[in-house]
Amino acid sequence: GDSVTQMEGPVTLSEEAFLTINCTYTATGYPSLFWYVQYPGEGLQLLLKATKADDKGSNKGFEATYRKETTSFHLEKGSVQVSDSAVYFCALSEPTNSGGSNYKLTFGKGTLLTVNP
Amino acid sequence: EAQVTQNPRYLITVTGKKLTVTCSQNMNHEYMSWYRQDPGLGLRQIYYSMNVEVTDKGDVPEGYKVSRKEKRNFPLILESPSPNQTSLYFCASGTPADTQYFGPGTRLTVL
Repeated sequence: GDSVTQMEGPVTLSEEAFLTINCTYTATGYPSLFWYVQYPGEGLQLLLKATKADDKGSNKGFEATYRKETTSFHLEKGSVQVSDSAVYFCALSEPTNSGGSNYKLTFGKGTLLTVNP
Repeated sequence: EAQVTQNPRYLITVTGKKLTVTCSQNMNHEYMSWYRQDPGLGLRQIYYSMNVEVTDKGDVPEGYKVSRKEKRNFPLILESPSPNQTSLYFCASGTPADTQYFGPGTRLTVL
């Protein structure tokens, strides 16, 4: 079945450091890929997405590129801020039948990022 | 304002006492789902619904029931809760191949 593997946390960085959170996936077809962010005490919210190979999703200075050849969707940010401290989830969505009338969403386990001033 | 609401936000109950966690969305989404979040295990899907009267099991459906009688509501039912169902629960709605909108979460403790 589908699976998402992301780097174990926690990740602790200083402000303005470069961030990479690795994410690889296993899927039978061509999934859509997502990064969600969960701030303390809140629900998840979409950070960025990519729906086909070589697409780059970007938002709030974060970027991730859909790499089909390496089945990866690594999250990067050039200069993190204290306000980026949160849990980050990589996820994929794929139809479970050829008609596309049923979908399965799969999430990684999440990576806790702490940014210190 | 587009949103997913859940109630209650916090609940402490005892083993075996039936409970329902409500979920409602105002975005006219056909797709809705329930997840539980546990330390070290991340987010796991319990049930999902592609449309009214259409529901299917996710990865961890045991001990849970759902119903989808109206498009906007998708309640999660625990007929006989047990301590291993102590968790943080999220409802979400959206387009299955696209963005999911999550509720604020329900923290459930079963004693």
